[in-house]
Amino acid sequence: RKEVEQDPGPFNVPEGATVAFNCTYSNSASQSFFWYRQDCRKEPKLLMSVYSSGNEDGRFTAQLNRASQYISLLIRDSKLSDSATYLCVVNMEGGSEKLVFGKGTKLTVNP
Amino acid sequence: GAVVSQHPSWVICKSGTSVKIECRSLDFQATTMFWYRQFPKQSLMLMATSNEGSKATYEQGVEKDKFLINHASLTLSTLTVTSAHPEDSSFYICSAREATSTDTQYFGPGTRLTVL
Repeated sequence: RKEVEQDPGPFNVPEGATVAFNCTYSNSASQSFFWYRQDCRKEPKLLMSVYSSGNEDGRFTAQLNRASQYISLLIRDSKLSDSATYLCVVNMEGGSEKLVFGKGTKLTVNP
Repeated sequence: GAVVSQHPSWVICKSGTSVKIECRSLDFQATTMFWYRQFPKQSLMLMATSNEGSKATYEQGVEKDKFLINHASLTLSTLTVTSAHPEDSSFYICSAREATSTDTQYFGPGTRLTVL
């Protein structure tokens, strides 16, 4: 099983749509979870951390289910500028600095 | 937010030459820097963790003699790809962790290496 696994995508949605991305991780001892976005040929940029109680940042909502080792990202009212690849990132070992990246899910928001 | 720069942003070289990539934290001190590699349509893969003043820790399968890492100061780490071959062509990205932070890594803009 891959350490961090994501929806293969790609997702093509119209502007204003709601879209959800899923991610699973293999190491139950993982402590920290993140969603990054990566634009084509650019470096990844932190979108948001994911907390146990779930958290929201504007149109973005992240959820964590430790029992299922599952993370999600919900984007509401999608904008053209949301088009990017979304990376699920996990700190696999408690206290370790090592981040493990999922392969990413590509999102295209169409006018 | 914290800024990390990389130089060069892209490089094309002949097979057999060595290429040095610099990673700098511009407005903070980074005790730890990380080097990643990303092939097209693949995820970022950690190559090595670089700690200031000590030897880098390489991930399994990464040749330490081929990918030389030097972290001589709290704001600079370098990755040298020695005797580069076409299969080393990739997007190399560094990140830096602020000395006072536990989790947050700030990524550089990446260096695109093409070996002919």
